[in-house]
Amino acid sequence: DAGITQSPRHKVTETGTPVTLRCHQTENHRYMYWYRQDPGHGLRLIHYSYGVKDTDKGEVSDGYSVSRSKTEDFLLTLESATSSQTSVYFCAISDEGIGEKLFFGSGTQLSVL
Amino acid sequence: AQSVTQLGSHVSVSEGALVLLRCNYSSSVPPYLFWYVQYPNQGLQLLLKYTTGATLVKGINGFEAEFKKSETSFHLTKPSAHMSDAAEYFCAVSERGNTPLVFGKGTRLSVIA
Repeated sequence: DAGITQSPRHKVTETGTPVTLRCHQTENHRYMYWYRQDPGHGLRLIHYSYGVKDTDKGEVSDGYSVSRSKTEDFLLTLESATSSQTSVYFCAISDEGIGEKLFFGSGTQLSVL
Repeated sequence: AQSVTQLGSHVSVSEGALVLLRCNYSSSVPPYLFWYVQYPNQGLQLLLKYTTGATLVKGINGFEAEFKKSETSFHLTKPSAHMSDAAEYFCAVSERGNTPLVFGKGTRLSVIA
């Protein structure tokens, strides 16, 4: 398995609070991604990174921000969590290119009450 | 922009029967195509991918898929279903590897003994 660790694995928070999810990789891969998975929607891209300090928005980026200060870490922040952000969040990495095969983490289950 | 349509949110087959999961894509340039599998409470694992060359692609666990440009399809097949194949399957597309993967909504495969 690719060395990807997502933390926390589960989190329950209240509406309006800030939340940060962490993705840590030990593979030294250049590309990192945050997807959310919701029933009936599959996986949708939130943000992605193509290098340290280089990030771009995905399909569903509103309400989310990201940071990548080191190759191995990619942080996803919900500035003010809403119930619509209740989801399973997956981090993925790639070393072959931005649209090449991805290796996924185990996911973070986030519940916003 | 690229997109993926997976026909059938749920497919049920008998053990030993043919598995056919359908995927149609839209892409303005030659696509890269992927199939992923997700077991309960886990991340996604790559089954197979098509980039260029041979249109029949073999993957892990006995699965294969055929790229048909004229039909804009990339259907996943397995000759004989096993109980362990029960999972959710996702098709994904990238525009020639230059854009992040866009996923379909997924197809849940059930295998009946």
